[in-house]
Amino acid sequence: DAKTTQPPSMDCAEGRAANLPCNHSTISGNEYVYWYRQIHSQGPQYIIHGLKNNETNEMASLIITEDRKSSTLILPHATLRDTAVYYCIVRVEPGAGSYQLTFGKGTKLSVIP
Amino acid sequence: DAGVTQSPTHLIKTRGQQVTLRCSPKSGHDTVSWYQQALGQGPQFIFQYYEEEERQRGNFPDRFSGHQFPNYSSELNVNALLLGDSALYLCASTPGRFGGYTFGSGTRLTVV
Repeated sequence: DAKTTQPPSMDCAEGRAANLPCNHSTISGNEYVYWYRQIHSQGPQYIIHGLKNNETNEMASLIITEDRKSSTLILPHATLRDTAVYYCIVRVEPGAGSYQLTFGKGTKLSVIP
Repeated sequence: DAGVTQSPTHLIKTRGQQVTLRCSPKSGHDTVSWYQQALGQGPQFIFQYYEEEERQRGNFPDRFSGHQFPNYSSELNVNALLLGDSALYLCASTPGRFGGYTFGSGTRLTVV
């Protein structure tokens, strides 16, 4: 079973920041938080991951709370092409023996013109 | 640089038949994993192949089997198809068993 909880759907106005929350209250010390997204009829696409520090790349920012029990993915300026299902996944660090990604149902983000 | 390539893109089979899906990993990747995604659900892990052997398996029956070839490409075979096997089948490759995943666009299997 997935170890994360996400809202089933969210709307965001085009050009505004999209903030997608994720709860992972049972996360272990060696587990990373990963975010993927899946645009309709395509395979999941990696967005970002982090352990305990906030992370930023060209696609998004990841804010992890100090107790690591929740996180927020931020798309700073949402476009229509960001409409997708966003998955928050916890996974042990690479090399620590977990090979698979365990997906929940994710959050369906709709960017509104 | 080609990403993960899957074939065919769509497939219709009859209940009880057998099906083979194919996957070519991203260049430089040697590990292939397969996932099943039912409509409205997240992908579910089937198994992973590395060095031509199945290394880990999810909660799927023996009707699901696979193979990895020396060039790292892989096949997923499903025997005795059931209506419930209708799904999007995703292949993902990684550089080594623990690297970052790159997913293909999937094969849409419909069992009638």
